[in-house]
Amino acid sequence: ELKVEQNPLFLSMQEEKNYTIYCNYSTTSDRLYWYRQDPGKSLESLFVLLSNGAVKQEGRLMASLDTKARLSTLHITAAVHDLSATYFCAVDPTKYNFNKFYFGSGTKLNVKP
Amino acid sequence: DTAVSQTPKYLVTQMGNDKSIKCEQNLGHDTMYWYKQDSKKFLKIMFSYNNKELIINETVPNRFSPKSPDKAHLNLHINSLELGDSAVYFCASSQDPDPWAFFGQGTRLTVV
Repeated sequence: ELKVEQNPLFLSMQEEKNYTIYCNYSTTSDRLYWYRQDPGKSLESLFVLLSNGAVKQEGRLMASLDTKARLSTLHITAAVHDLSATYFCAVDPTKYNFNKFYFGSGTKLNVKP
Repeated sequence: DTAVSQTPKYLVTQMGNDKSIKCEQNLGHDTMYWYKQDSKKFLKIMFSYNNKELIINETVPNRFSPKSPDKAHLNLHINSLELGDSAVYFCASSQDPDPWAFFGQGTRLTVV
């Protein structure tokens, strides 16, 4: 079965610092997703990466995908408290017209003011 | 308008009971899903329906039975609830070729 590993699992950082969350997966896939979850809330779509070398940026978050290394990164630039949440990567290895997500275990980010 | 809505949001019930969770999406999507998030926040797919047809059925106890009366609805019925069924259950929907899946707000099931 496809394995998706995120690290770190917990990340406590100060505002204005930079950090990277890593997502490794075990099987070839061209679809890699990043979601955000606030406590007690649903999953909010952040990025979908669909090809090798894809890079997407939104505000202080930037995601990239290296399909050869089976690695995606979520880079946080100059963190602010509002970014505190749990971040999940998900891989969809299917090539059908529906999704079958394999989620990482999540990275709980706490940005201290 | 909420795109993917689940009811109830919270459900507390005793072991052995039978309960249902309902999901509706107003996005016009063809495919709907149920995911389970355990106490460690790990998310795993359970079922998926495409146009009312079951297309994904992961290793889930037979006590869990999904039902899709139409493509906008996917309900989850659970028989003989056990303590280990306590989790947050998320419904989601998607529409090819859009790669995204949209999640509902979750149903927190607590079995006591």
